Amino acid sequence: GEDVEQSLFLSVREGDSSVINCTYTDSSSTYLYWYKQEPGAGLQLLTYIFSNMDMKQDQRLTVLLNKKDKHLSLRIADTQTGDSAIYFCAERLTGGGNKLTFGTGTQLKVEL
Amino acid sequence: NAGVMQNPRHLVRRRGQEARLRCSPMKGHSHVYWYRQLPEEGLKFMVYLQKENIIDESGMPKERFSAEFPKEGPSILRIQQVVRGDSAAYFCASSPTTSYNEQFFGPGTRLTVL
Repeated sequence: GEDVEQSLFLSVREGDSSVINCTYTDSSSTYLYWYKQEPGAGLQLLTYIFSNMDMKQDQRLTVLLNKKDKHLSLRIADTQTGDSAIYFCAERLTGGGNKLTFGTGTQLKVEL
Repeated sequence: NAGVMQNPRHLVRRRGQEARLRCSPMKGHSHVYWYRQLPEEGLKFMVYLQKENIIDESGMPKERFSAEFPKEGPSILRIQQVVRGDSAAYFCASSPTTSYNEQFFGPGTRLTVL
């Protein structure tokens, strides 16, 4: 079945790296996504990775995928106060149409 | 290129009234998705539409909810006889005709049922 889990909260100091983790249960995921949601706003697509990849880097963002453990992570280098938001991982399944299944979100708080 | 547009941004209804939420996808996008976010939760898929067709409505409640995406005009999510449990943020997303890989989200409509 479809189940995507994330830890609820992460606090880091400005300038440090943040690592947000996500686990999923369905091995037929084709694409895995990271979205950012700021208060009162919609979701901003940050990056996504195809399931046959292990890693994807895009400027300060690094996505790591461990298919064996069904574990996805998002690393934000040099975290800034503007990175404070809720981060959602999501999966799109093979044969699941185009719908995305979202995790519950991780609230990232960046402290000075 | 304007992003996905939703209106109204905030909607207040009394129990038993109807709520109509509108979504205009990005230019060149013919796929529209509706998701619902309950307080303190992630987004849950409701329905996926293409022009004049409902492709997947597996996440839609069986009663009171309907969605359409006409040939002309925005996509509409309609909730009849709203109840307090319908209070949530409703997000629309769209993706290009040629690529399903990316879904771009609108700012959402926050529905409050009194």
